[in-house]
Amino acid sequence: GDSVTQMEGPVTLSEEAFLTINCTYTATGYPSLFWYVQYPGEGLQLLLKATKADDKGSNKGFEATYRKETTSFHLEKGSVQVSDSAVYFCALPLSGGYNKLIFGAGTRLAVHP
Amino acid sequence: DAGITQSPRYKITETGRQVTLMCHQTWSHSYMFWYRQDLGHGLRLIYYSAAADITDKGEVPDGYVVSRSKTENFPLTLESATRSQTSVYFCASSESWSSLGSYEQYFGPGTRLTVT
Repeated sequence: GDSVTQMEGPVTLSEEAFLTINCTYTATGYPSLFWYVQYPGEGLQLLLKATKADDKGSNKGFEATYRKETTSFHLEKGSVQVSDSAVYFCALPLSGGYNKLIFGAGTRLAVHP
Repeated sequence: DAGITQSPRYKITETGRQVTLMCHQTWSHSYMFWYRQDLGHGLRLIYYSAAADITDKGEVPDGYVVSRSKTENFPLTLESATRSQTSVYFCASSESWSSLGSYEQYFGPGTRLTVT
């Protein structure tokens, strides 16, 4: 069945460091792919998305490229800030419609000044 | 205010009690969802609803009941709470139609439930 695998955290970085959070998936066909972010004490919110293979989603300095050859959608940012400290979730649609999503386990990022 | 709200934000209850978590959205989105978030498991879908009076089970529905008599409300009831249901619960909503591949879900702030 469909699944999403994320690198385990926590990831601890200094401000201005480069960030990569790995995400790989198993799915039929080429579904849309998403990254959601959860800031402390809040619900999830969409960070970026890619709707087809080779697409690059970007937002707030974050990027992720949909790579069908490696079934991956790694999240990157060139220079993290303390305000990026959050939990990041990779997600893809579940088969069966109704906009259902399956989420990875989440990766906690802590950025120190 | 427009958006999706959940109440209560925090709840402590005892084993065996019935508890209802409320979810309200102002966008008239057709689809609504309930998730639980537990360390190491990410978010797991409990129930979802495609419209008023249409609901279906997700990945972990046992011990939960939902209803949806109005489009904007989607309450989740724990019929007889157990300690394993201690978790953070999130409600979400999305449009029934979106641009190709959108599927964006909008999340509420969550309810932290502790069962003692």
